[in-house]
Amino acid sequence: AQRVTQPEKLLSVFKGAPVELKCNYSYSGSPELFWYVQYSRQRLQLLLRHISRESIKGFTADLNKGETSFHLKKPFAQEEDSAMYYCALRKKSFQKLVFGTGTRLLVSP
Amino acid sequence: DTGVSQNPRHKITKRGQNVTFRCDPISEHNRLYWYRQTLGQGPEFLTYFQNEAQLEKSRLLSDRFSAERPKGSFSTLEIQRTEQGDSAMYLCASTYHLFLMDGNEKLFFGSGTQLSVL
Repeated sequence: AQRVTQPEKLLSVFKGAPVELKCNYSYSGSPELFWYVQYSRQRLQLLLRHISRESIKGFTADLNKGETSFHLKKPFAQEEDSAMYYCALRKKSFQKLVFGTGTRLLVSP
Repeated sequence: DTGVSQNPRHKITKRGQNVTFRCDPISEHNRLYWYRQTLGQGPEFLTYFQNEAQLEKSRLLSDRFSAERPKGSFSTLEIQRTEQGDSAMYLCASTYHLFLMDGNEKLFFGSGTQLSVL
């Protein structure tokens, strides 16, 4: 069965510091990976997906199949990045997302 | 607000009672998902609909749970004989799926219904 592991429950950094939120997955096939974010008092929303190879709000994530990782990175954290971040995986041709347990990012001034 | 709407926002019930939640997806979305989230966990898949057809149900969905999406528009999730373990946030999400364009659709989530079973 596929699984998503986010080892850090909380990541606390200062404004301007680099950020890396870790995500590892277990799945033998070709996965589709996503990062979802939930800001305070807001709904869960898509941040980025690996297939798009996009940078959203300065965040990027590269799928590393060798290390089965999809870490989320940002070179300079901002206070407004403080939120709950969930990594999610979907098997090709299947419809459900499997979420990790989430990492709370706290960016202090 | 033209996003996914869920009602009620909060529901407190006594063990053994039945509860029903409603989800109104974004109007043009043909896929609707139900997830459950407990404290400290990520959302867990429960079931999903393609239009009015329920295509997959998780093993988490015991026979006390039933979901419907009549006419392919809004959906309801009913829990019969609630148990304390059913206490959770129930999330609904929707998306538009094009046949043969598999994967990577963006899910739009509702604000959820927080269920507390006393």
